[in-house]
Amino acid sequence: KNEVEQSPQNLTAQEGEFITINCSYSVGISALHWLQQHPGGGIVSLFMLSSGKKKHGRLIATINIQEKHSSLHITASHPRDSAVYICAVTSTGNQFYFGTGTSLTVIP
Amino acid sequence: DAGITQSPRHKVTETGTPVTLRCHQTENHRYMYWYRQDPGHGLRLIHYSYGVKDTDKGEVSDGYSVSRSKTEDFLLTLESATSSQTSVYFCAISESSSLSGANVLTFGAGSRLTVL
Repeated sequence: KNEVEQSPQNLTAQEGEFITINCSYSVGISALHWLQQHPGGGIVSLFMLSSGKKKHGRLIATINIQEKHSSLHITASHPRDSAVYICAVTSTGNQFYFGTGTSLTVIP
Repeated sequence: DAGITQSPRHKVTETGTPVTLRCHQTENHRYMYWYRQDPGHGLRLIHYSYGVKDTDKGEVSDGYSVSRSKTEDFLLTLESATSSQTSVYFCAISESSSLSGANVLTFGAGSRLTVL
């Protein structure tokens, strides 16, 4: 059983579309992270949040602590957004748990 | 640049040979981690360190050992590499966020290991 579940596993979108990636978790957390990994690339942190919503450019991350659910939204998607998006949580015991990632492909 | 480097970035070796991967940080962060990333799996923790000479096992520690003799360096050793250890290895560092108290995680660029 995974402590962090993401959906969908794979996602293909046309350029310009609005994209949503979902994350559910089963442990108590102090923070949730959204990470981005480009093909063959390293892993970079997009957001760390513990409540509400955060926005950075075309990316928006929301979290509902009561429902143990987070979403990552990408507005006006672009081919350069093509990457694997990973949801991770910091548990209240200060351990990290990772989802298996969502592979996004944005077609021009 | 986050100040975390991994070496080597790519390595091909033969079954049964020893391999050491190095993670070096310039951030003076207390926590350091080694993860492996494989298709169909999330990042899986191999070992972690919470200080000099203080290390502990993660969920996939069999066949791996670590050492941390200095704050800035965390070494991962495969004493006798096997084909099942072919993977991409990521080092990460963390320190508590001043805002939430939760640890912010920063990754190295990864080391791709192939065991033939």
